[in-house]
Amino acid sequence: QQQVKQSPQSLIVQKGGISIINCAYENTAFDYFPWYQQFPGKGPALLIAIRPDVSEKKEGRFTISFNKSAKQFSLHIMDSQPGDSATYFCAARNRATGGFKTIFGAGTRLFVKA
Amino acid sequence: GAVVSQHPSWVICKSGTSVKIECRSLDFQATTMFWYRQFPKQSLMLMATSNEGSKATYEQGVEKDKFLINHASLTLSTLTVTSAHPEDSSFYICSAPQGPSYEQYFGPGTRLTVT
Repeated sequence: QQQVKQSPQSLIVQKGGISIINCAYENTAFDYFPWYQQFPGKGPALLIAIRPDVSEKKEGRFTISFNKSAKQFSLHIMDSQPGDSATYFCAARNRATGGFKTIFGAGTRLFVKA
Repeated sequence: GAVVSQHPSWVICKSGTSVKIECRSLDFQATTMFWYRQFPKQSLMLMATSNEGSKATYEQGVEKDKFLINHASLTLSTLTVTSAHPEDSSFYICSAPQGPSYEQYFGPGTRLTVT
């Protein structure tokens, strides 16, 4: 019930295309859903985050879509660029019972072809 | 923005020796820090929660006597890998929560190689 399932495992997108990464969760007590971007040999960096009372959040080329009833959320990267090539992790957190502990998905390796 | 640093960025040690990794919050105070390990092409695995002024909380399956954590101040947590073995070779990353939503800010990671 604490898992966050992420797909696909890897993704290849043409430059200018849309990259879509999906995540699903079981624990309805999760109250915060961040996405992280990680480049090889570096620590993850927060990209964008959403709370379950919002269905969509957009920051620049990055958009989170959130479907509370389906317990799913996704990251859309518009106009994907080669510089977006990285590993992306979705995550979830439950402040009430888990404190600051964050549950991570398995990760998606994105490659944007020039 | 919140900045977390780690030192060293990479370390090579011989089997049986101990190695210490430092995690610092540079521009904010952190009463809580997290330590993760990450194997190649895998996700982050939470090892323990470091609490300033009290004992660390270890995740199930993590040997507390092998991975010693000390949160000596509001800006510094250390992870000591004792009696390191080749299977301890990994990428170790720390993080600290900060901001109104307590977002996780990660350090750049430490690559440990045990020979």
